[in-house]
Amino acid sequence: GDSVTQMEGPVTLSEEAFLTINCTYTATGYPSLFWYVQYPGEGLQLLLKATKADDKGSNKGFEATYRKETTSFHLEKGSVQVSDSAVYFCALPPSSNTGKLIFGQGTTLQVKP
Amino acid sequence: DVKVTQSSRYLVKRTGEKVFLECVQDMDHENMFWYRQDPGLGLRLIYFSYDVKMKEKGDIPEGYSVSREKKERFSLILESASTNQTSMYLCASGYSGRNEKLFFGSGTQLSVL
Repeated sequence: GDSVTQMEGPVTLSEEAFLTINCTYTATGYPSLFWYVQYPGEGLQLLLKATKADDKGSNKGFEATYRKETTSFHLEKGSVQVSDSAVYFCALPPSSNTGKLIFGQGTTLQVKP
Repeated sequence: DVKVTQSSRYLVKRTGEKVFLECVQDMDHENMFWYRQDPGLGLRLIYFSYDVKMKEKGDIPEGYSVSREKKERFSLILESASTNQTSMYLCASGYSGRNEKLFFGSGTQLSVL
């Protein structure tokens, strides 16, 4: 069935370091892929989205490219800030077309000054 | 901006109590969802609703029920709260169809003592 696997955290980086959070997926067809972010004490909010193979989603300096060949959607940022400390979730919609999303287990990022 | 409002940010209940978690959205979304978030387990879908009075079980419905009498409101009910239901509960809403994003509330941290 459809599923999402994220790298385990927590990830601890110094400010201005390069970030990669790995996400791989199993899906029927070619669904959109999502990254959501959850800041401390808040709900999830959409960070970026890619709708088809080779598409690149980007927002707030974060990027992720939809790789059909490797079934991956890794999240990257060139220079992280303390304010990026949050939990990041990779997600995809299942093939059942109900509007649901399947989420990965989440990766906690802590950025130290 | 879309708003998904959860009635309580923190809730403390006793074992055996009946608990109601309320969620209201203001975007006329067809779909509404209740997820549970636990460390290391990510988000797990409890129930979702695709129309008024319509519901479907998610991955972990045991011990929960839901009610959707009006399109904008979706309630999660713990018939007899137990300590293993201590968790963060997240409500979300969205349009029907695959590839639609979800909008989340801020969450309710429920502690069952």
